Amino acid sequence: DTGVSQNPRHKITKRGQNVTFRCDPISEHNRLYWYRQTLGQGPEFLTYFQNEAQLEKSRLLSDRFSAERPKGSFSTLEIQRTEQGDSAMYLCASSLEFGPGNYEQYFGPGTRLTVT
Amino acid sequence: RKEVEQDPGPFNVPEGATVAFNCTYSNSASQSFFWYRQDCRKEPKLLMSVYSSGNEDGRFTAQLNRASQYISLLIRDSKLSDSATYLCVVNFLPPGGSQGNLIFGKGTKLSVKP
Repeated sequence: DTGVSQNPRHKITKRGQNVTFRCDPISEHNRLYWYRQTLGQGPEFLTYFQNEAQLEKSRLLSDRFSAERPKGSFSTLEIQRTEQGDSAMYLCASSLEFGPGNYEQYFGPGTRLTVT
Repeated sequence: RKEVEQDPGPFNVPEGATVAFNCTYSNSASQSFFWYRQDCRKEPKLLMSVYSSGNEDGRFTAQLNRASQYISLLIRDSKLSDSATYLCVVNFLPPGGSQGNLIFGKGTKLSVKP
């Protein structure tokens, strides 16, 4: 399967703990995105990378959140000092951009985080 | 006003029915438009991109009206397997920039009954 993969698929943690999620994009894709989705809502943008450069961060991404894509391949999203409000599905997507245009993003299966 | 608005439904229709979903967006600079499908507790999957001239893919037809900032999705001869949430998605190009994040509506839930 050459789609976007995410690990772990589920994470249960206690409030105050740190968690880290990993995303492996489609191999030739240079863009990688992180979104968060809560029940009854559409996905909300968190941040994205062009290769290893983090180009945009949403105001939803508080200081407790950090994302990296050190070699322009896989990415990690870390949440420090988790809060119950962080409970959500964290989705990763990737796309291939080679100039201005209409690029389609493909999503991974997500990591479901539950903070108790 | 929310950036992308959809009727949340649910739309309950019998098999074989034709159903239409509508979506409005607030940013007139929006450039790219998509419909995604999301099954319960699964990731969104791209259903189709929406082009200015409108486009069709089998039983699915998407239309874009830039003047009214309105997007639609028509499903003909609906199947049980079409039951899902349909997400309207837009993207705009910031000045001097290239495509970035997608803006999702909350989704419209469709339930197709035998």
